[in-house]
Amino acid sequence: DAGITQSPRHKVTETGTPVTLRCHQTENHRYMYWYRQDPGHGLRLIHYSYGVKDTDKGEVSDGYSVSRSKTEDFLLTLESATSSQTSVYFCAMTDRLNTEAFFGQGTRLTVV
Amino acid sequence: AQSVTQLDSQVPVFEEAPVELRCNYSSSVSVYLFWYVQYPNQGLQLLLKYLSGSTLVKGINGFEAEFNKSQTSFHLRKPSVHISDTAEYFCAVSGTAAGNKLTFGGGTRVLVKP
Repeated sequence: DAGITQSPRHKVTETGTPVTLRCHQTENHRYMYWYRQDPGHGLRLIHYSYGVKDTDKGEVSDGYSVSRSKTEDFLLTLESATSSQTSVYFCAMTDRLNTEAFFGQGTRLTVV
Repeated sequence: AQSVTQLDSQVPVFEEAPVELRCNYSSSVSVYLFWYVQYPNQGLQLLLKYLSGSTLVKGINGFEAEFNKSQTSFHLRKPSVHISDTAEYFCAVSGTAAGNKLTFGGGTRVLVKP
């Protein structure tokens, strides 16, 4: 397996609470991504990172923020969770050649 | 900007029958194309990819796909499916430059029936 892990794997949280999901990689890859997966929508990009402290928004970034203080860690924060953010979240990484993306196992988040 | 359309949301198929999953994309730049598979309650696994060269790409588990630039398509095929091929399949496209993001289609759920 490519060295990318997500934590936690499952989380239930209440509406209005902040939540942070962690993605950790051991491959020293520069590019990292956060996606959410919802039925019928495939995977949609939330935020991505080109390197340490270098991040940008994807197509569904409202309500989310990210941080990357180290190459190996990419954090996704829901500032105030809403039920519409109930989803499965995937982290991914690519090398500089961009010829393949490697995905974490996903985090199933339920907002009640 | 780029987009991917998977024309079938669900495809039921009998075991040992062939299957084709259709994928069309749009992009203003040169692209790489991918098919990923997601088995129930698992992450995404790369089936195959087109980077350059031969337009017929062979992947794992007997799958293959053909890149058709004029029709902007990248359809996935398998001549004989097994029960274990029951999964969701995602087509994806990215630009060829470093850091270009993957854009996914909506997915096709394949249900293989005995």
